[in-house]
Amino acid sequence: ETGVTQSPTHLIKTRGQQVTLRCSSQSGHNTVSWYQQALGQGPQFIFQYYREEENGRGNFPPRFSGLQFPNYSSELNVNALELDDSALYLCASSYRLAGGDTQYFGPGTRLTVL
Amino acid sequence: KNQVEQSPQSLIILEGKNCTLQCNYTVSPFSNLRWYKQDTGRGPVSLTIMTFSENTKSNGRYTATLDADTKQSSLHITASQLSDSASYICVVIDGGFKTIFGAGTRLFVKA
Repeated sequence: ETGVTQSPTHLIKTRGQQVTLRCSSQSGHNTVSWYQQALGQGPQFIFQYYREEENGRGNFPPRFSGLQFPNYSSELNVNALELDDSALYLCASSYRLAGGDTQYFGPGTRLTVL
Repeated sequence: KNQVEQSPQSLIILEGKNCTLQCNYTVSPFSNLRWYKQDTGRGPVSLTIMTFSENTKSNGRYTATLDADTKQSSLHITASQLSDSASYICVVIDGGFKTIFGAGTRLFVKA
């Protein structure tokens, strides 16, 4: 196990609702990244937080937002849910190093939008 | 446009056989390349990470190669086991720490 936890494991919402997904980083990690993975596809980068500041964002609309807390845990918020938001949402924590940091992924939250 | 392309899309091999998965990328500037293994319904697990100056890196039966000139990488699995059945994802990190994932190769190992 990676030491990264996510909650909830599964979630069902209806179109138009809002959802908050949570991620607890591995101890000592100061960076967290969120990804959306559709069935049969590779993960798509949503955004990354480094020391509580957003540090890079993928091609996702503003209704996808996030937070990183002083203990480096993180939230992903999605407003006005759409059917296409149904996916596995992964968070990955790491400790920023020059030359690359190894990301440790959580098990993911499976979101279904009806 | 920064892209990571993997081939084949899926692969079936017999237990005990070797296989090689390919990854081509157009990411620039390049920081590092990683290979991940993702079991169904689980988060990806890091296998190898290589920077620009590294040509090969091994992790047990997994050996990754990197040719930064041609922007190609491969993951070689030796003496496959049933537990190797998973998706293998190639990931390239650019100079701004942006992460670009390939779509993955789905490997099936049969007894």
